[in-house]
Formats: sequence, structure tokens, C-alpha cells
Amino acid sequence: DAGVTQSPTHLIKTRGQQVTLRCSPKSGHDTVSWYQQALGQGPQFIFQYYEEEERQRGNFPDRFSGHQFPNYSSELNVNALLLGDSALYLCASSLRWDQPQHFGDGTRLSIL
Amino acid sequence: GESVGLHLPTLSVQEGDNSIINCAYSNSASDYFIWYKQESGKGPQFIIDIRSNMDKRQGQRVTVLLNKTVKHLSLQIAATQPGDSAVYFCAELTSGTYKYIFGTGTRLKVLA
Repeated sequence: DAGVTQSPTHLIKTRGQQVTLRCSPKSGHDTVSWYQQALGQGPQFIFQYYEEEERQRGNFPDRFSGHQFPNYSSELNVNALLLGDSALYLCASSLRWDQPQHFGDGTRLSIL
Repeated sequence: GESVGLHLPTLSVQEGDNSIINCAYSNSASDYFIWYKQESGKGPQFIIDIRSNMDKRQGQRVTVLLNKTVKHLSLQIAATQPGDSAVYFCAELTSGTYKYIFGTGTRLKVLA
């Protein structure tokens, strides 16, 4: 049983570019959340998707957007990249919003 | 509150001793709590959870204690092993929201 898978594992972009990160949830999970984790800090909630809709959003600008597909997989899009967007981006899935979230190993995004 | 800070507190314990990792949470309306373990280069791994209608929950070698009066959560690890070395995060979920808030994290170092 595959857990949460994310792609790519590493990515290097330059300021102003756009990026798309992908996530496949754990089998059976229908809820997907995205987090940003800066070095030495805890994950910060970006948003959560359920039934292909954004259900809640954290304190992130609208340069951060997402999508959930009918098979529950999800994408995180970031436009107009800034140096400060360099971080580990984590995807987590769960069966319900109040059930344990299971994380992927993340995408390490570096902005030059 | 939101995860802040660049320097993780560190707990060093001798192999075989018990470890206690503490977490102060921010919102008295939080009703679900999770402890995660994060190893270098990996995503957070679920350890144990507890709901606000409980004050103690035990797993294999781990125990979580919840004190709602002082908004405090602790993770006890029995007979700490080298493989327990990692960063540990607590996460809280406030009733009526879908947004998990992570603590600042504690680095556990197990000394041989």
C-alpha cells in the first residue's frame, strides 16, 4: 500500500518563474493538505482540498493556488516565485479532516 | 500559536532512558492533537494522537499526556533508542477548522 507520494523531489527555479508540485494521497484518503516548511521550522498550513474544492486556506498570498482531481490527487502551483519561497513543500492526506494526516517526503524547492 | 523561531530546542538523552518532550499549544478551543517525528530529509511521520476528551493515551513505547487546564501536551518515549533521534512536532486542530498548527519542534538526540 503506497503512502503519500510527491513529485518532483527537488526543484530549482529562478525568481519570477512559476512551479507546479504534485501529490498522490495514500490509498483511500480523500482529503489533501499542503504545507510549507522552512529550514528549522515546523510546517505551515497552506490550504486543504476536499471534493475538489479548497476548504480552508492559511496565511499565504494568492500566488499560491491548488487543485484536486477526481482521483483525489492534488497539485500546488506557485506563481511569481520569490527567494522566500525556498522551502520544503509537504503534502499530507487523511481520510477525514480530523483523522491523522500522513505526509509525503516533500518537494525541496530552491529559488535562485 | 504559529510555528516560529529558527533554533530548535534540543533534548539529549542516554540510550535506554526515558524521554519527555513538551509542547505548549495556543488555542483552548483545540480538540485534536498529534505528535509527529521527522527525520532528516523525510516528511513528518505520525506517532500518536489524542482528543480533548482524554488526558492520556498510550502506544507502543510512547505515551501522550494532555493537560487542558494549562494547554500543555507531552510525549513520553520509553527506553529511548538511537532510532528515536529526530525532530518531534506537536500539531493542534481547533474545533470547527481544518487547519493544523504545528509547534516549533524539539530535536531529540540519543547518546550511546
